[in-house]
Amino acid sequence: GAVVSQHPSWVICKSGTSVKIECRSLDFQATTMFWYRQFPKQSLMLMATSNEGSKATYEQGVEKDKFLINHASLTLSTLTVTSAHPEDSSFYICSARGGGFEQYFGPGTRLTVT
Amino acid sequence: GENVEQHPSTLSVQEGDSAVIKCTYSDSASNYFPWYKQELGKRPQLIIDIRSNVGEKKDQRIAVTLNKTAKHFSLHITETQPEDSAVYFCACSNFGNEKLTFGTGTRLTIIP
Repeated sequence: GAVVSQHPSWVICKSGTSVKIECRSLDFQATTMFWYRQFPKQSLMLMATSNEGSKATYEQGVEKDKFLINHASLTLSTLTVTSAHPEDSSFYICSARGGGFEQYFGPGTRLTVT
Repeated sequence: GENVEQHPSTLSVQEGDSAVIKCTYSDSASNYFPWYKQELGKRPQLIIDIRSNVGEKKDQRIAVTLNKTAKHFSLHITETQPEDSAVYFCACSNFGNEKLTFGTGTRLTIIP
């Protein structure tokens, strides 16, 4: 089946620093990748949609200058959290979609900002 | 945009009994309705999905029903087992705009 990986699985950083999270589709080409954020005991909230070779589309209320998304190839998308603050601490999950309906989720990255 | 409501938020069921989780959506253009199971700290796992041209779909102990007129869909788990304990999310999307909108989640606890 379709496999999506994320790296790192967890990261701790200091307030004010930047963190990059990678999302890879391992055995298929992802025409579209999605980035979600999930706070404890809450649902997944879509942050942005990225298509290879084009700018990401951000959901309302998500700061595009703070959450930089790059989708440079059909198998890799990156999310960079710039100038991270404690309130950015969350579980970040990517998903990838090939040509069909289904989205395949990565294992998630737990970000803790101290 | 799309709005998805999910009920109940928590559900406790005796092992062996059935569990039902319901979702309603607002956008009549939605045509894909997946259900995900998420264990603590892990990724959502697709357990079953249904498309708008089908009213019901079953996979062993899991079934999903869809009522497009009323804009609601439900997850049914029969013969529940302790390993069914998790958080379940419904979601929907319009293939045209691709993105999934998730419900608020249901924490299902199976009581041995």
